[in-house]
Amino acid sequence: DTAVSQTPKYLVTQMGNDKSIKCEQNLGHDTMYWYKQDSKKFLKIMFSYNNKELIINETVPNRFSPKSPDKAHLNLHINSLELGDSAVYFCASSQSPLNEQFFGPGTRLTVL
Amino acid sequence: AQSVTQLDSQVPVFEEAPVELRCNYSSSVSVYLFWYVQYPNQGLQLLLKYLSGSTLVKGINGFEAEFNKSQTSFHLRKPSVHISDTAEYFCAAPPRSGGSNYKLTFGKGTLLTVNP
Repeated sequence: DTAVSQTPKYLVTQMGNDKSIKCEQNLGHDTMYWYKQDSKKFLKIMFSYNNKELIINETVPNRFSPKSPDKAHLNLHINSLELGDSAVYFCASSQSPLNEQFFGPGTRLTVL
Repeated sequence: AQSVTQLDSQVPVFEEAPVELRCNYSSSVSVYLFWYVQYPNQGLQLLLKYLSGSTLVKGINGFEAEFNKSQTSFHLRKPSVHISDTAEYFCAAPPRSGGSNYKLTFGKGTLLTVNP
């Protein structure tokens, strides 16, 4: 069984469109995260939720909006997509802050 | 200053050779230190972590790392690498202040390429 899953794996879209990426974890973890990895492999946290409460909100354009309907899901909605949004987006989860983070397989977003 | 610094962006080695991937941390991060590995086209997975106790930490796939407080380092080592170890390796740590241990700061990564 997949621990952390993301859909879709690939997403190709035009500038200005709105898109969503879904994430689900079946590990029973309390904390979930969204990361952005750019073309140089630099990994930067975007958001973190703990028990459905937003606890980390980095300097991310407000076109990005996370939503956590329950502890097992953390979705990422992006409005008015821009070329610079092209990247690989990773979802992750952990039981507690100092425990291992389990990463999803990533969603490669390409904005044309 | 960068809080977690990986000194080498790329490390090419031959199969069965030893390897060391370097990581230094600054005073802005806590001394809870992690190494993650990212195989091509995959997400990250934990190799090992240091929270407290013994400064020599053993991880998966034959990797180990040593926490050195005086040198503020947490270098990753393997005595004999395999082709399958080719991947991107990330050192990470949460910030020291603010109680925001939820947030990991990652180094820029080191691409280990193992050649036959």
